[in-house]
Amino acid sequence: DAGVIQSPRHEVTEMGQEVTLRCKPISGHDYLFWYRQTMMRGLELLIYFNNNVPIDDSGMPEDRFSAKMPNASFSTLKIQPSEPRDSAVYFCASSPDRNYGYTFGSGTRLTVV
Amino acid sequence: RKEVEQDPGPFNVPEGATVAFNCTYSNSASQSFFWYRQDCRKEPKLLMSVYSSGNEDGRFTAQLNRASQYISLLIRDSKLSDSATYLCVVNNPNTDKLIFGTGTRLQVFP
Repeated sequence: DAGVIQSPRHEVTEMGQEVTLRCKPISGHDYLFWYRQTMMRGLELLIYFNNNVPIDDSGMPEDRFSAKMPNASFSTLKIQPSEPRDSAVYFCASSPDRNYGYTFGSGTRLTVV
Repeated sequence: RKEVEQDPGPFNVPEGATVAFNCTYSNSASQSFFWYRQDCRKEPKLLMSVYSSGNEDGRFTAQLNRASQYISLLIRDSKLSDSATYLCVVNNPNTDKLIFGTGTRLQVFP
């Protein structure tokens, strides 16, 4: 198995631009999680899906953030418009169960200038 | 009080040393516990689950103390390659989420 695949690995964009991050979970994993990691706040859960349905988006910082999972093998996290304070590493993770160990993708390092 | 608390370190230890980290959690009803390892500029990777009776995986031993609400990770015979940040993870049974600690940094020197 190729693991959780995220793209792009790095993204540098200007403030105000739309950013779309992509994730392909491990096949057969029913849970998909989007995290953000910064030095100040550590790993923060933004949203998670079960069987493609968003279950808890209470961690999404504001309306500029949105996430979709149109099918079991693909999810996107979109930021529109982006701001410098959104600069962070965004991880996608998947799991066969919500309390089972998660497998993380290699992350997208986002820099908004 | 934070849901999961860890000493950020760094713990600087020589090769061959034994080192232990503790992690405290606030919800006494938590049932799932893990240790993750994160290398610099990499993703977190599951190191081991923590079971009630304690468990061992090679040089790594994990323990759970429910009475005092902490878990521990012991690393014996430290290697240079053990240098990383170790994240404590605990489930929140009220929200059904895994909560990650901010990590303890370990640096093993020659």
